[in-house]
Amino acid sequence: AQSVTQLDSHVSVSEGTPVLLRCNYSSSYSPSLFWYVQHPNKGLQLLLKYTSAATLVKGINGFEAEFKKSETSFHLTKPSAHMSDAAEYFCMKTSYDKVIFGPGTSLSVIP
Amino acid sequence: DVKVTQSSRYLVKRTGEKVFLECVQDMDHENMFWYRQDPGLGLRLIYFSYDVKMKEKGDIPEGYSVSREKKERFSLILESASTNQTSMYLCASSLTGTGTSLTGELFFGEGSRLTVL
Repeated sequence: AQSVTQLDSHVSVSEGTPVLLRCNYSSSYSPSLFWYVQHPNKGLQLLLKYTSAATLVKGINGFEAEFKKSETSFHLTKPSAHMSDAAEYFCMKTSYDKVIFGPGTSLSVIP
Repeated sequence: DVKVTQSSRYLVKRTGEKVFLECVQDMDHENMFWYRQDPGLGLRLIYFSYDVKMKEKGDIPEGYSVSREKKERFSLILESASTNQTSMYLCASSLTGTGTSLTGELFFGEGSRLTVL
């Protein structure tokens, strides 16, 4: 069965330090991969997407992600965390007949 | 910008009541989705629709039905609400994907938080 794994259920970083949120997906031909952010009591907002173009994808709010086919990974990074980055982050994969979400990673930012 | 509007942000209903959750999108998207979100369980797909009057069961369709009479509107119906349906409900829409993908990016509404007493 296809799957998306987010290896950390919770990540805590200090303000101004780098953020790394990990996502691995089950292999499929030409996947489309996405990262979403959800603030409390809000819907999900798209951060960035990979759809078979450049492997390094830049998104909103300084986030970026790198598609690594050999590692079946699509990790989300940001060089310097801001307090407003505290939220839930979801990795998502689409394939021919499925939309699959990872379980989510809760990011805390310590002042 | 794509806008997905869920008409009710917060609802409180009693056990056994019929509940309608409405979702409208303004970008002529073919696909529409209903998810529920619970702590520790992530997002679970209830139903999706890829065209008017078409629907497909998701992972947890029991206790729910849907209606898509017009392209822009996708309604989730709880025929007889129960306390275990207390949850956050999220609607999303998308264009049909390109290549091998069912769908492009999903656009989400703000969510409807339902409490069943």
